Amino acid sequence: SQTIHQWPATLVQPVGSPLSLECTVEGTSNPNLYWYRQAAGRGLQLLFYSVGIGQISSEVPQNLSASRPQDRQFILSSKKLLLSDSGFYLCAWSVGLNQPQHFGDGTRLSIL
Amino acid sequence: DAKTTQPNSMESNEEEPVHLPCNHSTISGTDYIHWYRQLPSQGPEYVIHGLTSNVNNRMASLAIAEDRKSSTLILHRATLRDAAVYYCNAGGTSYGKLTFGQGTILTVHP
Repeated sequence: SQTIHQWPATLVQPVGSPLSLECTVEGTSNPNLYWYRQAAGRGLQLLFYSVGIGQISSEVPQNLSASRPQDRQFILSSKKLLLSDSGFYLCAWSVGLNQPQHFGDGTRLSIL
Repeated sequence: DAKTTQPNSMESNEEEPVHLPCNHSTISGTDYIHWYRQLPSQGPEYVIHGLTSNVNNRMASLAIAEDRKSSTLILHRATLRDAAVYYCNAGGTSYGKLTFGQGTILTVHP
């Protein structure tokens, strides 16, 4: 069966520090991968999606970036975090168009 | 993706059916209707999706209007574990992307 792993579960970082969140999927090949952010009490905002290795599309301009170095690995990064980067970050995968997305447990990021 | 409109909140009693409505009047002909739910501090969980016909699975039923401009998620017998935020999405055709709105907060009373 397919599983998705996100880590860390929680993270507290100072303003201006770098960020690296990792997401891996097991049990499937060539999945579509997605990064979302959820502010407190709000809906999910799609940040990036990827349909293949090295292919990244950005939905919202910001100081975050994403990479997909391997088929089932999706990384969210920042060189310098801002206070506004706080939130609940979720990774998801799907097998393709019009198919369900399956979410990880998320990373709660707090910026001090 | 089509914009969706859902009530901010709904309440139900345990063991009673729940009908969660969603309007998606600008849905395109190829967009699927997806429903997810989210518990506090967890990632969303897929519930059900469909294109034109009504759909059933072990979790819920999805009733889609004939003109596809609205749909209803039906929980046949609500339990306390069904209390969550329910999101309706109309999309998935463009790279599988979905747009999550504010959702409906479902409260289930014992």
